[in-house]
Amino acid sequence: GENVEQHPSTLSVQEGDSAVIKCTYSDSASNYFPWYKQELGKRPQLIIDIRSNVGEKKDQRIAVTLNKTAKHFSLHITETQPEDSAVYFCAASKASGGSYIPTFGRGTSLIVHP
Amino acid sequence: DTGVSQDPRHKITKRGQNVTFRCDPISEHNRLYWYRQTLGQGPEFLTYFQNEAQLEKSRLLSDRFSAERPKGSFSTLEIQRTEQGDSAMYLCAFGENNEQFFGPGTRLTVL
Repeated sequence: GENVEQHPSTLSVQEGDSAVIKCTYSDSASNYFPWYKQELGKRPQLIIDIRSNVGEKKDQRIAVTLNKTAKHFSLHITETQPEDSAVYFCAASKASGGSYIPTFGRGTSLIVHP
Repeated sequence: DTGVSQDPRHKITKRGQNVTFRCDPISEHNRLYWYRQTLGQGPEFLTYFQNEAQLEKSRLLSDRFSAERPKGSFSTLEIQRTEQGDSAMYLCAFGENNEQFFGPGTRLTVL
């Protein structure tokens, strides 16, 4: 099955700095890569995703890149703010039974210091 | 509000008891998923419904676990003979295209 590795497990930055979270996956058939943000005690929320036919996608201060050959993808957050503090999960998925079943990484705890 | 409610939000039970959780999509959604999340981990897929049909089941879903979606709307997840290792957050999600949107979850504590 799919295996997703996520690094770092903890990331501490100063407000205004950039943050980068990296993930690798094992199954070359995976073709959909969502990123979720989970604040303490709350549900995971989809913040951005990328499909395998795209190398990069940007939405305001966040961007994702995908390298299919190397089987890795990354989340980039620029101009970090204290409200960006949360646990971020990457996931890799492929079509199965008519849907996409994601395999999640173990998460990165991002701390943005004011 | 992502359009999914879960009940109860918290459940404390003694080992060996049975528990049942409910997931209610607020509007019609064909695809419904159950996940389990333990502390320090990402959500782990348990099972998936397309309308009332259960199409995928994870190996994590032992014979003590059963899920239903009888009318293709709400879904229930039952755990029989609970064990301490079942303590986790149980998340329900609905799907649109490739995307999944999670409910608030039910936190289960098995004493």
